[in-house]
Amino acid sequence: DQQVKQNSPSLSVQEGRISILNCDYTNSMFDYFLWYKKYPAEGPTFLISISSIKDKNEDGRFTVFLNKSAKHLSLHIVPSQPGDSAVYFCAARRRGAGSYQLTFGKGTKLSVIP
Amino acid sequence: ETGVTQSPTHLIKTRGQQVTLRCSSQSGHNTVSWYQQALGQGPQFIFQYYREEENGRGNFPPRFSGLQFPNYSSELNVNALELDDSALYLCASSSGTGTGSEKLFFGSGTQLSVL
Repeated sequence: DQQVKQNSPSLSVQEGRISILNCDYTNSMFDYFLWYKKYPAEGPTFLISISSIKDKNEDGRFTVFLNKSAKHLSLHIVPSQPGDSAVYFCAARRRGAGSYQLTFGKGTKLSVIP
Repeated sequence: ETGVTQSPTHLIKTRGQQVTLRCSSQSGHNTVSWYQQALGQGPQFIFQYYREEENGRGNFPPRFSGLQFPNYSSELNVNALELDDSALYLCASSSGTGTGSEKLFFGSGTQLSVL
């Protein structure tokens, strides 16, 4: 039972355009959401997060949107750069969890074409 | 400031054997968690240690065990290895009490192959 779903295994975008990565979740107990980026042979790197009490969080070129009623979040990258090419993981934390237990999606491989 | 380091980077074992993976936390971090990432999947939470005590565990059998040392480094032990244990094992450290929203810092992982 996959509680965090990233239904697009891959995405290709032209340099300078917007990249939109999507994530859906099923567990209404999730209260905090994060995006991680992973390059080959490296561990995941934290990118941006959002609490369930917000619907938008912005950090430079990266913006995360949360739609709680739809149990959906998205990551927007504007403008996309070739260095953004990586696998992006959506992750969620359950409310009341006494640990940093994160539930990850399977990831979306983003390719930014120069 | 040193990041999270894991050793070894690659390991090959045979079914039934035991393995120990090691992790050094980022400087100043007192919480460490371990994740298993199978091919084509996202990382899956194994367990977390805070101040040398396990304070969270995912859906993994008891043959997966761990330790955290006073210097906050950690070990992951897997007994009676099975073919399905082949995966990338990621260690992540963080600061705080283990209940906040502090972000995790991941190591590069240990790639375990079980033959």
